[in-house]
Amino acid sequence: SYELTQPPSVSVSPGQTASITCSGDKLGNKYACWYQQKPGQSPVLVIYQDNKRPSGIPERFSGSNSGNTATLTISGTQAMDEADYYCQAWDSSFVIFGGGTKLTVL
Amino acid sequence: QVHLVQSGAEVRKPGASVKVSCKASGYTFNVHYVHWVRQAPGQGLEWMGRINPNSGGTNYAQRFQGRVTMTRDPSISTAYMELSTLRSDDTAVYYCARDGLAMTGNAFDFWGQGTVVTVSS
Repeated sequence: SYELTQPPSVSVSPGQTASITCSGDKLGNKYACWYQQKPGQSPVLVIYQDNKRPSGIPERFSGSNSGNTATLTISGTQAMDEADYYCQAWDSSFVIFGGGTKLTVL
Repeated sequence: QVHLVQSGAEVRKPGASVKVSCKASGYTFNVHYVHWVRQAPGQGLEWMGRINPNSGGTNYAQRFQGRVTMTRDPSISTAYMELSTLRSDDTAVYYCARDGLAMTGNAFDFWGQGTVVTVSS
């Protein structure tokens, strides 16, 4: 079965750039999307179709996807960006989530 | 605006079943697939399956085949997820989410608030 692999944790200093990766076989041939989830809240879509931002998502969130790796990049990271981030892709008619990455801003 | 409102928390004994509802508003219910995703305490997101509100057609994740049933009632814009033969490891928050279709490359653009299901003897 298809799998998406994320690092369990990433740390970044405020104002710096955070990069979270998501790896899967030939992932670049699929669309990847990313969700942000803060404690006790429902997930929120922050990137879809590899690099598009839904309305209301700050410009500091960007994405890319090539080869076997999709990357979520947060430029000028703020304390409010501290959260869990999940990548997601489709494998045929089934949805696959990565295991999630806890982003710590310190 | 789009809203997905789920039913309240449930407590069940092992072996029982639970049915969670998800009432949609703010858009044409029949157009967008509804997905169900669960999250065990301290764990990641797990996709359970989806339903086409127009046809009632479903796709279920393999690990839930035979235990999950997704239905809908278009007359009240509500989707349902029933999970049977519950075990303690089914204790989780269950979310419904709307499929954004071509607008989002089939990403989930709106989510319900989540329903806590606790399985305990």
